[in-house]
Amino acid sequence: GQQLNQSPQSMFIQEGEDVSMNCTSSSIFNTWLWYKQDPGEGPVLLIALYKAGELTSNGRLTAQFGITRKDSFLNISASIPSDVGIYFCAGQLGAAGNKLTFGGGTRVLVKP
Amino acid sequence: NAGVTQTPKFQVLKTGQSMTLQCAQDMNHEYMSWYRQDPGMGLRLIHYSVGAGITDQGEVPNGYNVSRSTTEDFPLRLLSAAPSQTSVYFCASSSGLSNSPLHFGNGTRLTVT
Repeated sequence: GQQLNQSPQSMFIQEGEDVSMNCTSSSIFNTWLWYKQDPGEGPVLLIALYKAGELTSNGRLTAQFGITRKDSFLNISASIPSDVGIYFCAGQLGAAGNKLTFGGGTRVLVKP
Repeated sequence: NAGVTQTPKFQVLKTGQSMTLQCAQDMNHEYMSWYRQDPGMGLRLIHYSVGAGITDQGEVPNGYNVSRSTTEDFPLRLLSAAPSQTSVYFCASSSGLSNSPLHFGNGTRLTVT
């Protein structure tokens, strides 16, 4: 089946830093999505990308849909403590929000 | 607005026991699906439904059954639980319209001993 490789698996952030994570796939998707999951909760959608090459922002978050349709990245600028959590990329082939393929997640932690 | 509601939040089963994980949504969404989340593997699709009376298999359907008798409810059944089914289970729904996002419940943490 399709696989999404997400990196890094984990990272430490210091308040104010910019962070970046990315996702690559062995096959193309029509839609790329980025979710954040807090402990004990389900994933919450952060950004959705619908066209190859698209660059979209949501507050301090910026994500891009790779031109080859096989990759995407997510940047968080000026990180704050509440950015801690697990971030998942997901690819979708169909037009509707169903049958997503998820990456393994990037765990964002605060530097001790 | 409740969104997607999953019950129970936690469950412990012994090998061979059966149980049903409940999922209900109050957004009149056509699409509903079940995912399992295991460490380092993201979420994997178990079963999904595009509307009442219609279900189909996802990536990891073995050991699970579903039914969709109403638009609101999409229960997931484990007929004979196995330790490999220890996981966190998420139900999700979407309207099915183009560019509609997937809404997730808060999950059911299942342990099979």
